[in-house]
Amino acid sequence: KQEVTQIPAALSVPEGENLVLNCSFTDSAIYNLQWFRQDPGKGLTSLLLIQSSQREQTSGRLNASLDKSSGRSTLYIAASQPGDSATYLCAVLNAGKSTFGDGTTLTVKP
Amino acid sequence: KAGVTQTPRYLIKTRGQQVTLSCSPISGHRSVSWYQQTPGQGLQFLFEYFSETQRNKGNFPGRFSGRQFSNSRSEMNVSTLELGDSALYLCASSLAGGNEQYFGPGTRLTVT
Repeated sequence: KQEVTQIPAALSVPEGENLVLNCSFTDSAIYNLQWFRQDPGKGLTSLLLIQSSQREQTSGRLNASLDKSSGRSTLYIAASQPGDSATYLCAVLNAGKSTFGDGTTLTVKP
Repeated sequence: KAGVTQTPRYLIKTRGQQVTLSCSPISGHRSVSWYQQTPGQGLQFLFEYFSETQRNKGNFPGRFSGRQFSNSRSEMNVSTLELGDSALYLCASSLAGGNEQYFGPGTRLTVT
């Protein structure tokens, strides 16, 4: 059974800092891994999708990496802004279903 | 291109009743997945439909069911509601399953 863990559970940083969010999974036979953000009471917004054959993906200030062999992914956020405050979730797809971590709640202070 | 839409956005039901939630995927997307999100259990996979067929199913009781229509719209039904069914129900669409998932805003179900 796939298990996904995200560390830390919460993170508070001053505006402008670079930061890294971590996601680990137990079954490396994944099809892809996707990072999302969720604002309170809202749905999920897709940030980045990494296919199992890829090592990283970049979008603007975001960079996600994937190391299947060690069962890890990281989401790097450069020059954080207060608008980045949200919960960040990673999801791995294997055996036809997505398994989500519990998320990291990020607060960026002005 | 319009995003994923879910109706209704909010719903209040009493124990024992049943409820039907609706999800319209992004145009051209044929896969629809449903998830339940609660503070205690996080996001949990319910089931996935592709071309009107349930392809994958999570670990939920048979009270939770769904279907998909020929236009890819999907409905989820929960019968004999329990207090523990109170949650945010999210649906996600993708081109063919295994591709990038796009989520709707969710339906907030409260069972009293």
